[in-house]
Amino acid sequence: DIQMTQSPSTLSASVGDRVTITCRASQSISSWLAWYQQKPGKAPKLLIYKASSLESGVPSRFSGSGSGTEFTLTISSLQPDDFATYYCQQYNSYLWTFGQGTKVEIK
Amino acid sequence: QVQLVQSGAEVKKPGSSVKVSCKASGGTFSSYTISWVRQAPGQGLEWMGRIIPILGIANYAQKFQGRVTITADKSTSTAYMELSSLRSEDTAVYYCASPTGDWGGMDVWGQGTTVTVSS
Repeated sequence: DIQMTQSPSTLSASVGDRVTITCRASQSISSWLAWYQQKPGKAPKLLIYKASSLESGVPSRFSGSGSGTEFTLTISSLQPDDFATYYCQQYNSYLWTFGQGTKVEIK
Repeated sequence: QVQLVQSGAEVKKPGSSVKVSCKASGGTFSSYTISWVRQAPGQGLEWMGRIIPILGIANYAQKFQGRVTITADKSTSTAYMELSSLRSEDTAVYYCASPTGDWGGMDVWGQGTTVTVSS
């Protein structure tokens, strides 16, 4: 299975900060990467698909970039509603995998 | 818009099996891929496997090979995930999810089913 490694595991930030989360794949996955946001007790929500495409209804402060093995999720100006856990997920092969998650906390 | 509705919470004994259902509505069930994802308490998301109903083909994460079976009934638009030889570490919320767009990313999720394994 392809391994996905996110960093950092936890991130402390303030409202208005620019936040970047990194996801690395153990082998090339082209652009077959998605990003999700999850809040406690809720199902994950798709933010980004195909590495950089914004899901309908997701605020434009979220953006994704990268290809191959290195990817980033950027929140341009952190809002109170953005404090959550974020996961990357690859779907390059017929076996999919998630990163271990990045918790964005209030500083 | 596709909706996925899962069966209710389960409490199981160690060594037993559990079967969770995921009923789809509002779309063309056979053409979607249905994945199963679990989340143990305080832990991250773990992809378990998926099925393409139109093909009847299932793929499983290596960790769950031999212990999980994912099936789909096209007549009722329902997918199933059965996990056997349950142990306490299988206590988790189990989600079904599906990418409905052309470029992937699971945009539709079930509400989750809590499975508790306890003696």
